Amino acid sequence: GQQLNQSPQSMFIQEGEDVSMNCTSSSIFNTWLWYKQDPGEGPVLLIALYKAGELTSNGRLTAQFGITRKDSFLNISASIPSDVGIYFCATRRGSSNTGKLIFGQGTTLQVKP
Amino acid sequence: DTAVSQTPKYLVTQMGNDKSIKCEQNLGHDTMYWYKQDSKKFLKIMFSYNNKELIINETVPNRFSPKSPDKAHLNLHINSLELGDSAVYFCASNRQGDPQETQYFGPGTRLLVL
Repeated sequence: GQQLNQSPQSMFIQEGEDVSMNCTSSSIFNTWLWYKQDPGEGPVLLIALYKAGELTSNGRLTAQFGITRKDSFLNISASIPSDVGIYFCATRRGSSNTGKLIFGQGTTLQVKP
Repeated sequence: DTAVSQTPKYLVTQMGNDKSIKCEQNLGHDTMYWYKQDSKKFLKIMFSYNNKELIINETVPNRFSPKSPDKAHLNLHINSLELGDSAVYFCASNRQGDPQETQYFGPGTRLLVL
């Protein structure tokens, strides 16, 4: 089936450092989404991307929809302790807006103060 | 004001039992979902309902039966619980046709089958 490969699996960084993670697939998608899951909570949408090449920012977060439509990356600049959590890429399977999401395996981020 | 709520938050039960998890959303959304997150944190969709009608049913054992009494509720009943059912179950909702794709997730129900 369709699979999203997310890397790295985990990161342990110092506060203030920049972070980059990415998501790739062998299939073409029309949507890329990035979610964050805080410990003990459900995922929350951070950024949504709808066009190849699109670059979108949300505060210290920046995400890009790859030109080939098979990948996306998420950058976090000047990390802070509350950035800790699991970051998931996701995309939508199918052409209709039924909202059926496929998730990557997640990148666990830990930030050392 | 809780947008998507689930009860219970924790559920510990014996193998073979039947249990239910409840989900309610007060966002006025017409589509609701159940996801399962396994011990490796992998999230996978199980079911989706739109206006109380089942529209997505992934390959899930028929021991799992979702029920939507109205648009604001989607409950999940599990029969004959097995050890492998231990996971975190998330409910989510959105509005069909929402171009922003925003699915709002509940806080999760942590199920442990002993």
